[in-house]
Amino acid sequence: NSKVIQTPRYLVKGQGQKAKMRCIPEKGHPVVFWYQQNKNNEFKFLINFQNQEVLQQIDMTEKRFSAECPSNSPCSLEIQSSEAGDSALYLCASSPGANTEVFFGKGTRLTVV
Amino acid sequence: GDSVTQTEGQVALSEEDFLTIHCNYSASGYPALFWYVQYPGEGPQFLFRASRDKEKGSSRGFEATYDKGTTSFHLRKASVQESDSAVYYCALGERGGNTGKLIFGLGTTLQVQP
Repeated sequence: NSKVIQTPRYLVKGQGQKAKMRCIPEKGHPVVFWYQQNKNNEFKFLINFQNQEVLQQIDMTEKRFSAECPSNSPCSLEIQSSEAGDSALYLCASSPGANTEVFFGKGTRLTVV
Repeated sequence: GDSVTQTEGQVALSEEDFLTIHCNYSASGYPALFWYVQYPGEGPQFLFRASRDKEKGSSRGFEATYDKGTTSFHLRKASVQESDSAVYYCALGERGGNTGKLIFGLGTTLQVQP
């Protein structure tokens, strides 16, 4: 069973509001991923970190998305100004290293009304 | 770019039927291949992975064999149960940049009738 902890499980925001979600990766896993899963079950990679450094990221959707993984604190993903199209399941995952097993949390379900 | 194709969007079976979900990939070299299962309201759960030609991965009665020749990693189970009803995803580990980023197929919804 995965030990990746995501909070909150559900998040409801109005359009234009800020949305922030957090993730505690599995202990000992230096690599952390964020994915967005839409209602058609399609996965979209957003960003990943190794320790606190960004490994790879998409063009962070018009700069409204930001993420960080500070040492000794939960990782976070923030949407500065939510839009209806951001409604999705946001999944955090962690891994012992690149190209090894990747374990997902239960996700944060964001609904933008 | 690298990609994963799952042939079946939905599979409907009865308990004790044999399951096959087809997965083909497109990538250079030997990418790591994965199977995940996702239940409603949950994140994907790791089933198993394989990273070499002819390597077999298995877990919970499911298995798949890495086949470089046919670029496939088909999921099989000899006898499904109602509790296996879920969405199954095949994925590959993108090799470029060695970041561990996963590329997922579109998923196969398995419905098992009692």
